[in-house]
Amino acid sequence: EPEVTQTPSHQVTQMGQEVILRCVPISNHLYFYWYRQILGQKVEFLVSFYNNEISEKSEIFDDQFSVERPDGSNFTLKIRSTKLEDSAMYFCASSEQGIPEQYFGPGTRLTVT
Amino acid sequence: AQTVTQSQPEMSVQEAETVTLSCTYDTSENNYYLFWYKQPPSRQMILVIRQEAYKQQNATENRFSVNFQKAAKSFSLKISDSQLGDTAMYFCAFMKPQTSGSRLTFGEGTQLTVNP
Repeated sequence: EPEVTQTPSHQVTQMGQEVILRCVPISNHLYFYWYRQILGQKVEFLVSFYNNEISEKSEIFDDQFSVERPDGSNFTLKIRSTKLEDSAMYFCASSEQGIPEQYFGPGTRLTVT
Repeated sequence: AQTVTQSQPEMSVQEAETVTLSCTYDTSENNYYLFWYKQPPSRQMILVIRQEAYKQQNATENRFSVNFQKAAKSFSLKISDSQLGDTAMYFCAFMKPQTSGSRLTFGEGTQLTVNP
């Protein structure tokens, strides 16, 4: 069964460094999402992406964040200058046209020291 | 803005018994979807069940069923014949459908422990 994959599974970085989190959505899906979950808290929406552009973003998704679909398979989340409070699990999700279900990847645990 | 509330931070149940997890939401929308996701210790988010607001019939997936009360804005999850593998955090989620992609709004989660 097709699934969303994410790399790396765990990323440790120093405050102020840039990180890129990578996702490969399910191949026939057209809608892509990033969510984050700070340890012990609920899952929060960051951004949705459709037709090569951002369709919606939350108040969390400020100028430090950007997303890109550099080729036909990858979907990336970049954090330009990481802060301690960016430490969280980051989930990528995708969905297909006309179907509301979003399928999540296994997550990337980001630790900012 | 939509909000989702799960008022039970933790619940436990004996193996083979039935447990119900509660969820309420607030919205002015008439057309929407509700979901339950399961997050085991691996932290993977796994879709359990989906309910369309326009459907009166409650959704069922094997041992999992929902009690959807649209007027009361309530969406509870019933797990029958609980198994040890059901131990996980369960999140209720709301979605307003949009043509360009729809965000999920999650509740705080309920940690369910199934005891042998």
